[in-house]
Amino acid sequence: ELKVEQNPLFLSMQEGKNYTIYCNYSTTSDRLYWYRQDPGKSLESLFVLLSNGAVKQEGRLMASLDTKARLSTLHITAAVHDLSATYFCAVDKSGGTYKYIFGTGTRLKVLA
Amino acid sequence: AAGVIQSPRHLIKEKRETATLKCYPIPRHDTVYWYQQGPGQDPQFLISFYEKMQSDKGSIPDRFSAQQFSDYHSELNMSSLELGDSALYFCASSSDLDTQYFGPGTRLTVL
Repeated sequence: ELKVEQNPLFLSMQEGKNYTIYCNYSTTSDRLYWYRQDPGKSLESLFVLLSNGAVKQEGRLMASLDTKARLSTLHITAAVHDLSATYFCAVDKSGGTYKYIFGTGTRLKVLA
Repeated sequence: AAGVIQSPRHLIKEKRETATLKCYPIPRHDTVYWYQQGPGQDPQFLISFYEKMQSDKGSIPDRFSAQQFSDYHSELNMSSLELGDSALYFCASSSDLDTQYFGPGTRLTVL
């Protein structure tokens, strides 16, 4: 069964600092997604990573995918308070099944 | 751009009652998914539909059922509600296995 793990589960960081969130998954997958969720709100799509070595950047966030290691990272550069949220990775199981398996989520709090 | 619409946004029910949640996917999206998210938890996949046919099933209780209609909207029917059913229920839609776009969610509270 496909399992997706994230670490850390909680992250408190100062503004201006850099940090990386890790997402490991247990079986082969074609695609990996990163979402952001604010408390009580919906999930907002951040990145879609479709191949080994894929790297995408948007503002202070950069995501990468290593399919051989079954690992994705979400790197935060020079964090600002507005980035405070919960970040989920999700994996789309190979074979075209129509569902995501979400990671446990990383609750990020950026301190001013 | 049009987004996924869910109704109602909030719903309060008593134990053993029935609830129906509705989802209107983004136009021209052919796949609808339902997820349940408990407090502090990650979203758990319940069920999905592709072109109005059930395509995958996750941890959906037998008390729950869902369908997708000819206009592609979907409904999640929940019967014999239990306290543990209190959660955020998200609907998402996608086209051709592309990124799933999530609706605003329905917050269900069972008293």
